[in-house]
Amino acid sequence: DAGVIQSPRHEVTEMGQEVTLRCKPISGHNSLFWYRQTMMRGLELLIYFNNNVPIDDSGMPEDRFSAKMPNASFSTLKIQPSEPRDSAVYFCASRATGVEAFFGQGTRLTVV
Amino acid sequence: AQKITQTQPGMFVQEKEAVTLDCTYDTSDPSYGLFWYKQPSSGEMIFLIYQGSYDQQNATEGRYSLNFQKARKSANLVISASQLGDSAMYFCAMREGIHSSSASKIIFGSGTRLSIRP
Repeated sequence: DAGVIQSPRHEVTEMGQEVTLRCKPISGHNSLFWYRQTMMRGLELLIYFNNNVPIDDSGMPEDRFSAKMPNASFSTLKIQPSEPRDSAVYFCASRATGVEAFFGQGTRLTVV
Repeated sequence: AQKITQTQPGMFVQEKEAVTLDCTYDTSDPSYGLFWYKQPSSGEMIFLIYQGSYDQQNATEGRYSLNFQKARKSANLVISASQLGDSAMYFCAMREGIHSSSASKIIFGSGTRLSIRP
């Protein structure tokens, strides 16, 4: 299995632009998580889905952030408009009915 | 509310020594799971070991073992015979409701940066 695939790996964008991060979970996994990692705040859970349905989005920082999971093999995290404080590494992770979550390589977002 | 606390921001250990990374947690759910992940400088998150709240024995995976003390709500990671490649950030994590059919979130502690000296 290829594991959790995230794209792009790196993104540099100007403040105010829309940013879309993409995630392909491991086939057969029914839970998907989006995390944000910064030096100041560590690993924060933004939102998670189960069977493509958002379960808890209480970690989404503002209305500028939105996430979708149109099918079992694809999810997006969108930031519109982006701000410099959104600069972070964004991880997607997926889990089957087992225990651990498997992480993608992350997307390093820089907003200038 | 569930919470994970890692009180050691950084640690230095001599190669080949054993090291213990501390983790305490808080939850009111009797059914939960505890995880440790490793994040090397390359950035990926690597799953190391898992302990369920109902597991009778401490989990072990090669050089990794989890010192689970339920009454103290601690789940320390022990790495035996440390190696230079063990230098990384280590995160403790928890998921409640592991025996429930519904999904539940996984939350992480702030991490411990482990540096192995040659």
